[in-house]
Amino acid sequence: QVQLQESGPGLVKPSQTLSLTCTVSGGSISSGDFYWSWIRQPPGKGLEWIGYMYYGGRSDYNPSLKSRGTISLDTSRNQFSLRLSSVTAADTAVYYCARVLVRPAHPDYWGQGTLVTVSS
Amino acid sequence: DIQMTQSPSSVSASVGDRVTITCRASQDISSWLAWYQRKPGKAPELLMYGASSFQSGVPSRFSGSGSGTDFTLTISSLQPEDFATYYCQQANSFPWTFGQGTKVEIK
Repeated sequence: QVQLQESGPGLVKPSQTLSLTCTVSGGSISSGDFYWSWIRQPPGKGLEWIGYMYYGGRSDYNPSLKSRGTISLDTSRNQFSLRLSSVTAADTAVYYCARVLVRPAHPDYWGQGTLVTVSS
Repeated sequence: DIQMTQSPSSVSASVGDRVTITCRASQDISSWLAWYQRKPGKAPELLMYGASSFQSGVPSRFSGSGSGTDFTLTISSLQPEDFATYYCQQANSFPWTFGQGTKVEIK
């Protein structure tokens, strides 16, 4: 059974960098069958796709982030990470990591989600 | 970005009721649509993809239909474990986008 688990600080100061890690068990992030993604949901708002990374190196990010996001893979630890720079209160959200089928691009496994609050 | 609009935003229903949720895309997405179920404190679960194909293990009381811009998710006979929030998601073009969710509540 595939499982994903997010980890990282729950509180980040404005203008700093948010860093989260997703640990994957029950499957390899080196598989060419999946994208590895981050999705978030601000309080009271809808789900927003942040971006994805593919083992072969392909990646894409939501333009709404204005180039602040970076996703990386660590195959030795079977983890992938998100870094979001220059955060503001608008980045406060529950952050989910997810495994996404390449075609069609639907997440088939998600983490439980972790709340990150941006506040001084 | 493709906007996904779900309706209703919430519905109150009883066990055994038939419930239909609609999802409309702002442009043609063919059949690149999935439905998810999310229960409080749990990760979302993929129910259907390709608008009408079941994910493994999903009960047959769930069904999906539609193509182009208009889609529906139907629960033919609501069960206690079906009370949750449901989301649609398009995979036609990145950034992939979700509907705002439909909360199915106990009447």
